[in-house]
Amino acid sequence: ETGVTQTPRHLVMGMTNKKSLKCEQHLGHNAMYWYKQSAKKPLELMFVYNFKEQTENNSVPSRFSPECPNSSHLFLHLHTLQPEDSALYLCASSAERGEVVGNTIYFGEGSWLTVV
Amino acid sequence: AQTVTQSQPEMSVQEAETVTLSCTYDTSESDYYLFWYKQPPSRQMILVIRQEAYKQQNATENRFSVNFQKAAKSFSLKISDSQLGDAAMYFCAYRSADAGGTSYGKLTFGQGTILTVHP
Repeated sequence: ETGVTQTPRHLVMGMTNKKSLKCEQHLGHNAMYWYKQSAKKPLELMFVYNFKEQTENNSVPSRFSPECPNSSHLFLHLHTLQPEDSALYLCASSAERGEVVGNTIYFGEGSWLTVV
Repeated sequence: AQTVTQSQPEMSVQEAETVTLSCTYDTSESDYYLFWYKQPPSRQMILVIRQEAYKQQNATENRFSVNFQKAAKSFSLKISDSQLGDAAMYFCAYRSADAGGTSYGKLTFGQGTILTVHP
């Protein structure tokens, strides 16, 4: 059992579809993240939210749109994706305390996305 | 920018034996954190062990220990008494201790090492 849950675990979508990935953390953390894991590439940070405010966007294409309605939930809205966007999308969270960083980042089980 | 390198794409070990996974990193920062994560076939990224750069003492978690050599920028993971459940992909990761700048919340991962445990 994990403190970070992701749904759906598997998603197949066409390039013209609109879908969303959902993440919920039950750890009382205040920071949440989306990471992308592609085959044969290191994990890449996509978005960072701290206290519901987006603090970082690592040059992610606009076809990926994050939403963080509260500190426990994070969404990744997907539209007009490309086949190269097929990957494992990992949600994560951590407890950050202002200027104190370095707290461990905990991951969910990931959502497998296939774009056809 | 920081980089993390794992030079062993695959490693294998016999059950109950010891194995060491290598990791080197490059950074100009003096304060940072290093992690080893395990990713089994379920794909969940599970924390194995964590090391603060300002601590000279090597971290230990049960059968898992690290050899942290700050000057050499090396952070290896030793797994003692290997078990079948240890089979997974292992990732070394770096996190800056800097609260500001563009590195906030960013874990920089290595390429991973696939560990096979033979019964």
